[in-house]
Amino acid sequence: AQSVTQLGSHVSVSEGALVLLRCNYSSSVPPYLFWYVQYPNQGLQLLLKYTSAATLVKGINGFEAEFKKSETSFHLTKPSAHMSDAAEYFCAVSDQRNTPLVFGKGTRLSVIA
Amino acid sequence: DAGITQSPRHKVTETGTPVTLRCHQTENHRYMYWYRQDPGHGLRLIHYSYGVKDTDKGEVSDGYSVSRSKTEDFLLTLESATSSQTSVYFCAISESENYGYTFGSGTRLTVV
Repeated sequence: AQSVTQLGSHVSVSEGALVLLRCNYSSSVPPYLFWYVQYPNQGLQLLLKYTSAATLVKGINGFEAEFKKSETSFHLTKPSAHMSDAAEYFCAVSDQRNTPLVFGKGTRLSVIA
Repeated sequence: DAGITQSPRHKVTETGTPVTLRCHQTENHRYMYWYRQDPGHGLRLIHYSYGVKDTDKGEVSDGYSVSRSKTEDFLLTLESATSSQTSVYFCAISESENYGYTFGSGTRLTVV
């Protein structure tokens, strides 16, 4: 069965600094991978997804993620953090066999002015 | 979120009472899911549906049941609510796994 590990339950960066949120997955078959963002008191919104096309995926709000099969990773990055990026971020995996997404435990991103 | 609504948004109920949460979609998507969100646990799958009257259990299904008699509605029932079921419940819909999910705004349930 697939699983997701998000390293760091809380990450704090300064405004303008690089954002790096880590996600490692486990899957016995080629995966679909997703990043979602959740703002306070809201549902989750899709940031970006990897579905076996380009390994570097660009999403909304300037975020991107790179699929690295050798490292079983799908880390989320943004070159310059903005105050509005403060939220909780979830990585999720599907094994492409019509099974539901499995989510990581989430990483809360704080942005310091 | 557009195309998916959850009701109620907030509910307080007593231990031992049955509770039903509703998820309604206007997107005609085949797949529907119920997750619960708890601090330190992320989102955990309760039940899901691949179509009308086609449902299956997730990793935390004990104490929950679901029904889907119409494409647009997916109901989650807590047969006899317990304090451990205090949580935020999210419904999600999808055309297929590679499209990702669209989530509702959630239902905050408190069992006292």
